[in-house]
Amino acid sequence: EVQVVESGGGLVQPGGSLRLSCAASGFTFSSFWMRWVRQAPGKGLEWVANIKQDGSEKNYLDSVKGRFTISRDNAKNSLYLQMNSLRAEDMAVYYCTREGVPYGADVWGQGTTVTVSS
Amino acid sequence: QSALTQPPSVSGSPGQSVTISCTGTSSDIGGYNRVSWYQQPPGTAPKLMIYEVSNRPSGVPDRFSGSKSGNTASLTISGLQAEDEADYYCSSYRSSAYVFGTGTKVTVL
Repeated sequence: EVQVVESGGGLVQPGGSLRLSCAASGFTFSSFWMRWVRQAPGKGLEWVANIKQDGSEKNYLDSVKGRFTISRDNAKNSLYLQMNSLRAEDMAVYYCTREGVPYGADVWGQGTTVTVSS
Repeated sequence: QSALTQPPSVSGSPGQSVTISCTGTSSDIGGYNRVSWYQQPPGTAPKLMIYEVSNRPSGVPDRFSGSKSGNTASLTISGLQAEDEADYYCSSYRSSAYVFGTGTKVTVL
């Protein structure tokens, strides 16, 4: 079964750090662009970052540039999101997604929740 | 990165057709055929319904169709069913990034 499973969410104070992980299975992870997408409580979807198959290209939402880092380990079939200097506006459910069709995210995880609060 | 504009809500009776619009600019929707649509029932993860403006992934009913004209993309649901009640989001490529729409709640009356 093709799936991705996120982990690493939790409660963090403003200014703190958190590292999200995404474990992929059922497909050749190294063949696909991967993305992180988030959804704040009661709000819409927001693309956060994506990374090329070999990690050589990474793109970020303007508001997270310099604070978040996307990375991957193809040997471990895993995607990561290192989040530093967290703000209240970063509070959201974070989804790991696969770009399995041209410019479309065809596989989504169940999400991991990040809460930023003192 | 400003969001694409969608109507907050649309509704229809079972069997009717509804169309959701998604308006962007020449830098996103108008500049590329890289529009996708996602369905998100309450409390669940989004599901890809349309990619590259009008392509359906396997398993998506052909009641769902997509199109584009200029800076506006559209998703049409024909033969509306109760199970189609959900939030729908468009998305477009924009300069090495992606942007989502504001979201539309579809209600089946």
